[in-house]
Amino acid sequence: ETGVTQTPRHLVMGMTNKKSLKCEQHLGHNAMYWYKQSAKKPLELMFVYSLEERVENNSVPSRFSPECPNSSHLFLHLHTLQPEDSALYLCASSLSTGERQPQHFGDGTRLSIL
Amino acid sequence: GNSVTQMEGPVTLSEEAFLTINCTYTATGYPSLFWYVQYPGEGLQLLLKATKADDKGSNKGFEATYRKETTSFHLEKGSVQVSDSAVYFCALGGTGRRALTFGSGTRLQVQP
Repeated sequence: ETGVTQTPRHLVMGMTNKKSLKCEQHLGHNAMYWYKQSAKKPLELMFVYSLEERVENNSVPSRFSPECPNSSHLFLHLHTLQPEDSALYLCASSLSTGERQPQHFGDGTRLSIL
Repeated sequence: GNSVTQMEGPVTLSEEAFLTINCTYTATGYPSLFWYVQYPGEGLQLLLKATKADDKGSNKGFEATYRKETTSFHLEKGSVQVSDSAVYFCALGGTGRRALTFGSGTRLQVQP
């Protein structure tokens, strides 16, 4: 039990589909993150939210759209994805975005684009 | 900018062998340093951390010392077990409102 729950664990979708990834944390944290983990590549930070405000967006294509309705929930809306978007998408949370704060990760959603 | 360099894997060891996974970093200021572990099919888990120079982080038999003079944070364990087989990530705390900077990960395989 990590305290950060991601659903679904696995998702297969076509390039024209629209789907959403969900992340929920019960740790009382105020910061949440989306990462992309591809085979043989470093972990890529996609988005950072602090107190429901997006504070970092690392040049992510617009086909990925994050949403943070409250400090416990984070979504990643997917639309018109490409095969190279197949990866493990990890959500994380931390008490704040302060640099000494460790991040707590969910188990990820394995996304496959057909 | 900040960066983290880890040794390439996989690292293959026999049970009870000594483990070292090298990690060096480039950063402005004095960031916090972390080691995370990812077991198969799971997300990353914080293994240990150090927040200032000469600090030693330790957990589950793993240790790493924050060496400012060599900008390193090498992970060590005296006697590895098969259950330690995983991918290990070194990470650097950002400054201001930035998130962590991760290394590329090192896969450890421990054989019985």
